[in-house]
Amino acid sequence: QKEVEQDPGPLSVPEGAIVSLNCTYSNSAFQYFMWYRQYSRKGPELLMYTYSSGNKEDGRFTAQVDKSSKYISLFIRDSQPSDSATYLCAMSARGGANSKLTFGKGITLSVRP
Amino acid sequence: SAVISQKPSRDICQRGTSLTIQCQVDSQVTMMFWYRQQPGQSLTLIATANQGSEATYESGFVIDKFPISRPNLTFSTLTVSNMSPEDSSIYLCSVEAGPFYEQYFGPGTRLTVT
Repeated sequence: QKEVEQDPGPLSVPEGAIVSLNCTYSNSAFQYFMWYRQYSRKGPELLMYTYSSGNKEDGRFTAQVDKSSKYISLFIRDSQPSDSATYLCAMSARGGANSKLTFGKGITLSVRP
Repeated sequence: SAVISQKPSRDICQRGTSLTIQCQVDSQVTMMFWYRQQPGQSLTLIATANQGSEATYESGFVIDKFPISRPNLTFSTLTVSNMSPEDSSIYLCSVEAGPFYEQYFGPGTRLTVT
């Protein structure tokens, strides 16, 4: 079993839809959780950074962590064509300097106008 | 955050040759990281480069194949040596920055080995 599993996709939704992107993990030591967005031919861009369980909201994006289920989600409200990208989840066991990140494979989202 | 640039952005190389990828950051950072991103695969950490010390390599990656330099706090290079088609990939550098030591990525170098 891989440490981090992410729905393989791809995912296609109409503009305005609510999108739910999910990752599961097996390592109970993970405490820091991130979502990156990667546009085609670009590097990953940090979207959300959360610690432990709970929700964090930033504009149309909400990150949710359920450590008891080892499950994290990224919700995108009122999705836009500009949200079309690959979304990567990442996590680490500790914060601070030199924290090794473990990534999911990423899911490609397409938002249709 | 940090602004990171990489050179070259892409290259096509012949088997058996070497390519050096440069990573430049707009501010001084302690840790720099080199990743490989292959189609359908997770981002994989190759090595961690701390200024003034030898790079630390992850399992499956060796210095002879991926030598790294870190001459100062804003610059690093990764060399892919004696390339084979299996080395075709996107190579990304990242740095830790911000209050939580979040990792920020460069735009990547797309390498094709023929």
